[in-house]
Amino acid sequence: AQTVTQSQPEMSVQEAETVTLSCTYDTSESDYYLFWYKQPPSRQMILVIRQEAYKQQNATENRFSVNFQKAAKSFSLKISDSQLGDAAMYFCAYRSAQNAGNMLTFGGGTRLMVKP
Amino acid sequence: DAGVIQSPRHEVTEMGQEVTLRCKPISGHDYLFWYRQTMMRGLELLIYFNNNVPIDDSGMPEDRFSAKMPNASFSTLKIQPSEPRDSAVYFCASSSWDSISYGYTFGSGTRLTVV
Repeated sequence: AQTVTQSQPEMSVQEAETVTLSCTYDTSESDYYLFWYKQPPSRQMILVIRQEAYKQQNATENRFSVNFQKAAKSFSLKISDSQLGDAAMYFCAYRSAQNAGNMLTFGGGTRLMVKP
Repeated sequence: DAGVIQSPRHEVTEMGQEVTLRCKPISGHDYLFWYRQTMMRGLELLIYFNNNVPIDDSGMPEDRFSAKMPNASFSTLKIQPSEPRDSAVYFCASSSWDSISYGYTFGSGTRLTVV
């Protein structure tokens, strides 16, 4: 079974600075997808960015980018020019591309605080 | 599309009462998932359906929990009888096979408080 680990329960960043959230996962599969979800106080789960394992190029979405290291099974999220609205829980998630169920397996989350 | 719709948004009930949570997935999505979120255990998959058929319910904590999907546009999660330790946020999410690279679309969740 796949596991996803987020080793940082809490992180803080100064507004306009850059912060990196860590995520590692364990899998024996070669084809899968990785995601970062944001959960603000409204509790809505919002997809921030995704990465296909077969792509070497790191995904980027505006101020959000990932550092995907397949061999190391690492998938970190970098937030540039942090804004107050980025304050939220961030969850890393794994989804098999082969398993028929395609369940998302989540990490424990990292609470990001943004200081003005 | 209005997205995944869950109701109610908040539910407060007394221990021993029956609770029913509702979910309407996105039209055309053939997978539906129920998750529970607590501080202690994080996000846990309870059960998921494919084409209205329950596929894996190994995450359902006890026989007090049951889930149904009578048609492609509606699912329920029922707790009977409810207990204080069931207090959590319950999320419904939907997905389709041809968009698996896009993750799930989540509903807004139901915050359940059992007193």
